[in-house]
Amino acid sequence: GENVEQHPSTLSVQEGDSAVIKCTYSDSASNYFPWYKQELGKGPQLIIDIRSNVGEKKDQRIAVTLNKTAKHFSLHITETQPEDSAVYFCAASETSYDKVIFGPGTSLSVIP
Amino acid sequence: DTGVSQDPRHKITKRGQNVTFRCDPISEHNRLYWYRQTLGQGPEFLTYFQNEAQLEKSRLLSDRFSAERPKGSFSTLEIQRTEQGDSAMYLCASSSLGTKNTEAFFGQGTRLTVV
Repeated sequence: GENVEQHPSTLSVQEGDSAVIKCTYSDSASNYFPWYKQELGKGPQLIIDIRSNVGEKKDQRIAVTLNKTAKHFSLHITETQPEDSAVYFCAASETSYDKVIFGPGTSLSVIP
Repeated sequence: DTGVSQDPRHKITKRGQNVTFRCDPISEHNRLYWYRQTLGQGPEFLTYFQNEAQLEKSRLLSDRFSAERPKGSFSTLEIQRTEQGDSAMYLCASSSLGTKNTEAFFGQGTRLTVV
């Protein structure tokens, strides 16, 4: 089955700096890669996703890249703000409507 | 409809008791998923439904766990004879197969504590 790894497990950045989280997956059948943000006591919130026919996608300060050959994908947050502080999960799935396999998470702290 | 709704938000139960959680998906979402999340970990898939049919169950779903979606709308997850290891956040998500936007959206979760 699919296995998703994620690094780093914790990340601390100064406000305004960029943050990068990297993930790898194992199952070549995966074609959908969502990223979730989870704040304390809340459920995961989808912030951006990418499909295997696209190498990069950007939404304001957030961008994701996908290298399907290497089975790597990454999340980039630019101009970080304190409200970006949360746990971020990468995930993989065959399609957007299949079960999702999550990585272990990255706890991001943005220091004002 | 503002999103996936889960009830209760918190549940404390004694070991050996049965508990039941409810999930109301986003209106007209035909797929519904249950996940379990322990502290410091990512959510783990338990089971999912398409309408009222339960299509897949994880090996994490022991015989003490049962999920239903009798009318293809809300779903319940029951845990019988709870154990301390069942303490976790139980998350529900829903998505819509067959429409343009098929991404899954999560509820706030039910936090279970078994004492």
